[in-house]
Amino acid sequence: AQTVTQSQPEMSVQEAETVTLSCTYDTSESDYYLFWYKQPPSRQMILVIRQEAYKQQNATENRFSVNFQKAAKSFSLKISDSQLGDAAMYFCAPGGGSQGNLIFGKGTKLSVKP
Amino acid sequence: DAGVTQSPTHLIKTRGQQVTLRCSPKSGHDTVSWYQQALGQGPQFIFQYYEEEERQRGNFPDRFSGHQYPNYSSELNVNALLLGDSALYLCASSRTGVRNQPQHFGDGTRLSIL
Repeated sequence: AQTVTQSQPEMSVQEAETVTLSCTYDTSESDYYLFWYKQPPSRQMILVIRQEAYKQQNATENRFSVNFQKAAKSFSLKISDSQLGDAAMYFCAPGGGSQGNLIFGKGTKLSVKP
Repeated sequence: DAGVTQSPTHLIKTRGQQVTLRCSPKSGHDTVSWYQQALGQGPQFIFQYYEEEERQRGNFPDRFSGHQYPNYSSELNVNALLLGDSALYLCASSRTGVRNQPQHFGDGTRLSIL
């Protein structure tokens, strides 16, 4: 069974600063994907960034980037130049492969201070 | 291009009743997944529908059932409601056969059981 651990229930960052959210996972799949989703109070789950496990190059999407360590099963999210609109719950979710569903961690609540 | 739409937005039921939640996938998507998100938790996978059949199922009792129609829209039915079924129910759609296809989420249905 796949499991996901997000060890930081809450994080805080100053506007314009950088913050890193951690995630570790366990899976028996050989071919899978990894996603970070953001859920603001409006509750819609919004895709932030995706990574294919077979790719060694870390994914980057504007101010968002990941540090993917496949052997360690670690998938952290770095947010640069944090903005007030980044405040939300962030969920790490491996998925894909033979299992099409996503497995979510418990989330990290990110606060951004002006 | 309409995204994933869910109805209703909110619903209040009493224990023992039955409920039906509805989901229309994003245009071009043929696969629908349902998730249950309890307060303060990450979403948990209920089941996934493709080609009008349940393709995968998470660890949920038979009280939870679903359906997919030829136009790819889907329903989630829950019988004999329990207080513990109070949660946000999220529908997500994707396109099978496309590598690294992320799931797109709707705004969810907030179900409260009295």
